[in-house]
Amino acid sequence: GQNIDQPTEMTATEGAIVQINCTYQTSGFNGLFWYQQHAGEAPTFLSYNVLDGLEEKGRFSSFLSRSKGYSYLLLKELQMKDSASYLCAVRDPYFKLSFGAGTTVTVRA
Amino acid sequence: DTGVSQDPRHKITKRGQNVTFRCDPISEHNRLYWYRQTLGQGPEFLTYFQNEAQLEKSRLLSNRFSAERPKGSFSTLEIQRTEQGDSAMYLCASSRVRDTGELFFGEGSRLTVL
Repeated sequence: GQNIDQPTEMTATEGAIVQINCTYQTSGFNGLFWYQQHAGEAPTFLSYNVLDGLEEKGRFSSFLSRSKGYSYLLLKELQMKDSASYLCAVRDPYFKLSFGAGTTVTVRA
Repeated sequence: DTGVSQDPRHKITKRGQNVTFRCDPISEHNRLYWYRQTLGQGPEFLTYFQNEAQLEKSRLLSNRFSAERPKGSFSTLEIQRTEQGDSAMYLCASSRVRDTGELFFGEGSRLTVL
């Protein structure tokens, strides 16, 4: 099975940077995903890491260390629209995705 | 590509009644997933399919829950003898088993059991 931990809440100021950490313990690993979910909406895909290192995608970057069971999502130049829940998810070798509880990010003016 | 669609979007029912949700995945996607999400939690895995074959069903799922994907296209999730604890958002997602294989989610079906 998968055990995925991430902080419950984070608050940051518009224009700032926030880093959301995710640690996982898994019986099999085939990739780590980050999803964004606005209140009342479906999750949408943000990023994917399967090898160690940093993946950059505009204002969002995601990092993975497989040996440490650790990932982070970095949100730069925060905007009000970035207020949302951010879900860390681990995929097993059979393409089943397991999610953490999510981190609610609140961006303040 | 019309996205993943789910029906109904909202369902209110009385305890003990049966409910059925439908999911139409993105047409070329061969994997289809069902998740359940309650307030403040991440999506909880229920079951998934590759084409018409059900690959896994969560051990946490009681036998009141059943899912089908009869022709490898749309899927249904049925809950029999609903309980108040079944109240949640039921999310369907689909994917291709290639490239990143990310899941594309539907808008969900919100169930309220009175």
